[in-house]
Amino acid sequence: GQSLEQPSEVTAVEGAIVQINCTYQTSGFYGLSWYQQHDGGAPTFLSYNALDGLEETGRFSSFLSRSDSYGYLLLQELQMKDSASYFCAVTGGGGNKLTFGTGTQLKVEL
Amino acid sequence: NAGVMQNPRHLVRRRGQEARLRCSPMKGHSHVYWYRQLPEEGLKFMVYLQKENIIDESGMPKERFSAEFPKEGPSILRIQQVVRGDSAAYFCASSPQGASTDTQYFGPGTRLTVL
Repeated sequence: GQSLEQPSEVTAVEGAIVQINCTYQTSGFYGLSWYQQHDGGAPTFLSYNALDGLEETGRFSSFLSRSDSYGYLLLQELQMKDSASYFCAVTGGGGNKLTFGTGTQLKVEL
Repeated sequence: NAGVMQNPRHLVRRRGQEARLRCSPMKGHSHVYWYRQLPEEGLKFMVYLQKENIIDESGMPKERFSAEFPKEGPSILRIQQVVRGDSAAYFCASSPQGASTDTQYFGPGTRLTVL
């Protein structure tokens, strides 16, 4: 089976940097994705890592270490609109389906 | 380029009724995935379909739930004889080729409430 662990809640101030960690256990692994979801709306794709290392997309970066079964999402220059739930998800061990973590609720304060 | 479309956005059913949820993938996408999200939880995979084929239904409950993706028209998730525990948000996602590296793009979801 597959399982993913993330912190349930993170709070940070506007302009700060925050890191959301994700550890996973899978029977097979193709890659780690990150999605953002505002108030139960459509999950929005943020990033994907198949190989070890850092991927940067604007204010967001994502890191993967396959040997440690670990990844993180880094959000820089936090803005109020970044307040949302963030989910890590793995593909692997049985096709293309995404297995999601339970999500991290990020609260950005003034 | 229209995104993934789902309808209805909200659906209310009484126990024992049937619920039909529709999903139109992004233009050019022929792979559809259905996920269910309970309040305060992550999304759980239900079923993966290509046109006219069910590829993976390992997340579908054994009874009352079915899905199809016909040659023409949207993908449909059907729940028969709904129960209160079926109340959830149901999201559909699509991808272009079904490769493991494909990004899945999500629709706005259908929020099902069973009274």
